[in-house]
Amino acid sequence: NAGVTQTPKFRVLKTGQSMTLLCAQDMNHEYMYWYRQDPGMGLRLIHYSVGEGTTAKGEVPDGYNVSRLKKQNFLLGLESAAPSQTSVYFCASSSPGNWGYTFGSGTRLTVV
Amino acid sequence: QQPVQSPQAVILREGEDAVINCSSSKALYSVHWYRQKHGEAPVFLMILLKGGEQKGHDKISASFNEKKQQSSLYLTASQLSYSGTYFCGTEKGTVEYGNKLVFGAGTILRVKS
Repeated sequence: NAGVTQTPKFRVLKTGQSMTLLCAQDMNHEYMYWYRQDPGMGLRLIHYSVGEGTTAKGEVPDGYNVSRLKKQNFLLGLESAAPSQTSVYFCASSSPGNWGYTFGSGTRLTVV
Repeated sequence: QQPVQSPQAVILREGEDAVINCSSSKALYSVHWYRQKHGEAPVFLMILLKGGEQKGHDKISASFNEKKQQSSLYLTASQLSYSGTYFCGTEKGTVEYGNKLVFGAGTILRVKS
């Protein structure tokens, strides 16, 4: 089983450029999440989705947009990248019924 | 609000025990524990639910004090493979919140031979 797959794994952007990070899961999970991880700050929730066609804001949503057109995919977009968005981005999925998250392997993004 | 983890870091020798604590100022529905090795994704260890139910790892135990909104992770007879950063994630609600978690800043655990 692939689990949760994130693409790309690494990316360098110039300030002002846009990009989309793709997350795909094959576990038929209802819930999907985007977190960013910065040194000493743990994981902070950007946006999340409780089902196909629905999205909601997390703790740090500014500068990001998301879409979940298909149940298995959750896209994270950066409209105009800023150096403050340099981070490691993790996608995760879970299922109702109080089970843990399955995380993807992460995307390391650097904005210069 | 982000839960507070303590200690921030701990160094053990193989075979020693460790306790990692997680506390929240908010009423909680559940507490999750994850371990992350350097350069890798976090991996689910355990979930503790309000009411006492636990789901997860066979060799790691944890407790959840609902009144104090605190959880502790117990690592006994530590092995080199236990090294990594441990995160607690706290959840306030259920379906309407999508089981979303707020994570602590992490506890770095290093086990030496």
